[in-house]
Amino acid sequence: GQNIDQPTEMTATEGAIVQINCTYQTSGFNGLFWYQQHAGEAPTFLSYNVLDGLEEKGRFSSFLSRSKGYSYLLLKELQMKDSASYLCAVEDNYGQNFVFGPGTRLSVLP
Amino acid sequence: ETGVTQTPRHLVMGMTNKKSLKCEQHLGHNAMYWYKQSAKKPLELMFVYNFKEQTENNSVPSRFSPECPNSSHLFLHLHTLQPEDSALYLCASSLTVNTEAFFGQGTRLTVV
Repeated sequence: GQNIDQPTEMTATEGAIVQINCTYQTSGFNGLFWYQQHAGEAPTFLSYNVLDGLEEKGRFSSFLSRSKGYSYLLLKELQMKDSASYLCAVEDNYGQNFVFGPGTRLSVLP
Repeated sequence: ETGVTQTPRHLVMGMTNKKSLKCEQHLGHNAMYWYKQSAKKPLELMFVYNFKEQTENNSVPSRFSPECPNSSHLFLHLHTLQPEDSALYLCASSLTVNTEAFFGQGTRLTVV
């Protein structure tokens, strides 16, 4: 079956660093996406990993280990506006099916 | 503004009504998707269209009927829905099926 796990909720302080983990078991793998979703809004794309390693994009970085079925999203210099849900999504090897995790609700406190 | 536009933004319909959701993109994308987001549940992929051809139907009940007349437009026709179908319905598009997806703002549907 397809299964993606993320922590349900996390809390961090403004200016700090937070790491959101994602583990997956899927029938195939063609890439892993991270999305940010503010309450009541559509998801917006953050990052894409298909090879092992770290992808850095400004304050956000995403890491992938395919052998471990594991990814994390690293957010640095947290800002209040980073309070949102962060969705991990895996594309299976047919390239046409996305499986989304339950999302991690991040609260950034002053 | 992602370039993917959905209308209406909000819809309230009775269980005997027929309505349609519309999605439009002029990004030159070839793949379009319908997703359902219910409260406290993961995002669920409903349908995938690739070059106007439906390539994925994730066991969606027949009361939901998609239509893709061209690569820029996607519809979701609704009839005889149930209260549990109340959710946020999101449309997305991507250049191809394995590239990043851009989401519309969604239609918040309430079935009464």
